[in-house]
Amino acid sequence: RKEVEQDPGPFNVPEGATVAFNCTYSNSASQSFFWYRQDCRKEPKLLMSVYSSGNEDGRFTAQLNRASQYISLLIRDSKLSDSATYLCVARGAYGGSQGNLIFGKGTKLSVKP
Amino acid sequence: DGGITQSPKYLFRKEGQNVTLSCEQNLNHDAMYWYRQDPGQGLRLIYYSQIVNDFQKGDIAEGYSVSREKKESFPLTVTSAQKNPTAFYLCASSPVGLSSYNEQFFGPGTRLTVL
Repeated sequence: RKEVEQDPGPFNVPEGATVAFNCTYSNSASQSFFWYRQDCRKEPKLLMSVYSSGNEDGRFTAQLNRASQYISLLIRDSKLSDSATYLCVARGAYGGSQGNLIFGKGTKLSVKP
Repeated sequence: DGGITQSPKYLFRKEGQNVTLSCEQNLNHDAMYWYRQDPGQGLRLIYYSQIVNDFQKGDIAEGYSVSREKKESFPLTVTSAQKNPTAFYLCASSPVGLSSYNEQFFGPGTRLTVL
C-alpha cells in the first residue's frame, strides 16, 4: 500500500520552463503536507509547507486538494539550481504515531541549459 | 548557528559488529527521529522520541536501538541483528506543539556501509 505516491520522473526541462509535480496520498486523515527538496547524497531540506488555501513562495506554488487527496508543486522560470529530487510528505493527525511523516519516493527534476 | 549534526559522515562496519551513529541538535526541539533511506526509496522511520527518556518504534525498528537521555542527543545503534544495514541514515528534529505543522529538520546524514 503506497501511502504517498509520486511520479519518479525524471522530468527534464529547459531553463525558464514551468514544471508541475503532483502527489497523491491515501490517508484521508492526513492533516498537513510538505514539499522537501533533496540534492544527490544530501539530506532533505524543507521547501514549503502546504496550507489548505494553497501558498506561494517566489517561483514556487503549492496547492492542496483534499477532496481528491492530492498535492501539487509548481515551479515557474526553472533554474539550473532547481535540479534535485522533490519529496512529497504527508502527516497524520497530531499526536502519537499518527503524527509522523510519510514520505513519497520523490520526483527527480533535471533543468537543462 | 542552530542546527543538527550527525557523525560520522561515512562509516564502515564489518558484519557482526554493532555501531552507534551520533545525532545532536541545538534547536531546542522536543522531538527527534531516525530514518533510513535506500537508493530509489522513500525515507522510512526507524525510531522517534517526543520527550527525554521516552522513545517509540517506527516502521522498521528491528535490529536497531536508541536512547534519549538528553534533549539534545538521540544516538542510534545499528546492531548485528539488522540484516541489511547498508543505507543512508538521517536524523531529524521538530518542535512539538499544538500546531499541526511542526516541520522536521534534518541533519546531514551518515552513510553506513557493511563490508
